[in-house]
Amino acid sequence: SQQGEEDPQALSIQEGENATMNCSYKTSINNLQWYRQNSGRGLVHLILIRSNEREKHSGRLRVTLDTSKKSSSLLITASRAADTASYLCAMRNEKLTFGTGTRLTIIP
Amino acid sequence: GAVVSQHPSWVICKSGTSVKIECRSLDFQATTMFWYRQFPKQSLMLMATSNEGSKATYEQGVEKDKFLINHASLTLSTLTVTSAHPEDSSFYICSARENVPGAHWNNQPQHFGDGTRLSIL
Repeated sequence: SQQGEEDPQALSIQEGENATMNCSYKTSINNLQWYRQNSGRGLVHLILIRSNEREKHSGRLRVTLDTSKKSSSLLITASRAADTASYLCAMRNEKLTFGTGTRLTIIP
Repeated sequence: GAVVSQHPSWVICKSGTSVKIECRSLDFQATTMFWYRQFPKQSLMLMATSNEGSKATYEQGVEKDKFLINHASLTLSTLTVTSAHPEDSSFYICSARENVPGAHWNNQPQHFGDGTRLSIL
């Protein structure tokens, strides 16, 4: 089944800086979603962007989607220590399949 | 908001035991539920799609006789790991697709449980 790849696998930044994570996928999608996962816990849905959308904002989150390049990015602005978690992209086309995830660490 | 309850949150048992994990949608009906598996530091891998009142659809490489899925009602799906062995130790997460009137099924929200950590000794 399709799985996306995320880049970087791990990212450490200082609190207050912006964090950017990228996701690439292989086949066509209906929408792409970003989730957050704290260590050993379930998923929290962050944002959904449809295939006909190019950019979407939600609070400190900004997501872009380029279907021609089959890629998406998640930007978290003004990062906080509480943003430390894994971030996964998920591609929806009949099924919801996940990327490999980026482990984000915010250094206070 | 919509809540998915998954139980138990963790279980430790001896090799050869069968373990049942429940997934409930608490305030919405879910015709379709999904079971995922996650190994340490890896992403979620879809194991099977559970449809209310019919047989589950398993992903390639997932043994249906090993991972029994039952979706007997619109709010409950269960995953039973039969004769579990240490290699079955993993984090299992269920998800329920909410039936939102008027929304295309591909855009319907999918809500996740908190997961079950299964350790087989």
